[in-house]
Amino acid sequence: GQQVMQIPQYQHVQEGEDFTTYCNSSTTLSNIQWYKQRPGGHPVFLIQLVKSGEVKKQKRLTFQFGEAKKNSSLHITATQTTDVGTYFCAGRGNTGKLIFGQGTTLQVKP
Amino acid sequence: NAGVTQTPKFRVLKTGQSMTLLCAQDMNHEYMYWYRQDPGMGLRLIHYSVGEGTTAKGEVPDGYNVSRLKKQNFLLGLESAAPSQTSVYFCASRPDNSYQPQHFGDGTRLSIL
Repeated sequence: GQQVMQIPQYQHVQEGEDFTTYCNSSTTLSNIQWYKQRPGGHPVFLIQLVKSGEVKKQKRLTFQFGEAKKNSSLHITATQTTDVGTYFCAGRGNTGKLIFGQGTTLQVKP
Repeated sequence: NAGVTQTPKFRVLKTGQSMTLLCAQDMNHEYMYWYRQDPGMGLRLIHYSVGEGTTAKGEVPDGYNVSRLKKQNFLLGLESAAPSQTSVYFCASRPDNSYQPQHFGDGTRLSIL
């Protein structure tokens, strides 16, 4: 069945350093969504990518969708302590179901 | 706006006990989901519903039952709780359009002793 793998599982960075999490699917995706979960909170939708090669930016966050629509990445420039949390990708394949990756937990040292 | 409301927020059960988790949404969403979240496992889909009166199995349905008698409510039942069901449970909903995001509740932290 469809699988969505996300790496790394954990990342510790110094405040001001950059951070990237990668998402890979075993099948071609129709769209991919990214969510952020703060410690003790619930996942909150960040953005959706639909087109092959699409790049979207939200302030210091850059989201990319691969040309083959099987992978995606989230890059944060100059991390801040407010970026702490777990970032999930979720891809929708030919089954129509949204499959979540395992998440990447980001810790930022001030 | 309430959005998605889950009750209870916390619960401790003994092995073999039963309980029902309630999810209510006020956004008139067609689709509703129940996930469990365990460390290092991400969000795993237990059951989902594509509309009032319908339910379907997700990735990890064993040991759980669900009902969607009213469009706004999605109930998750544990008939005989087991320690392996200790987890954080999240409910989510979305409109009929698959390109719309899911809206999550605050979660229910369930411990089975």
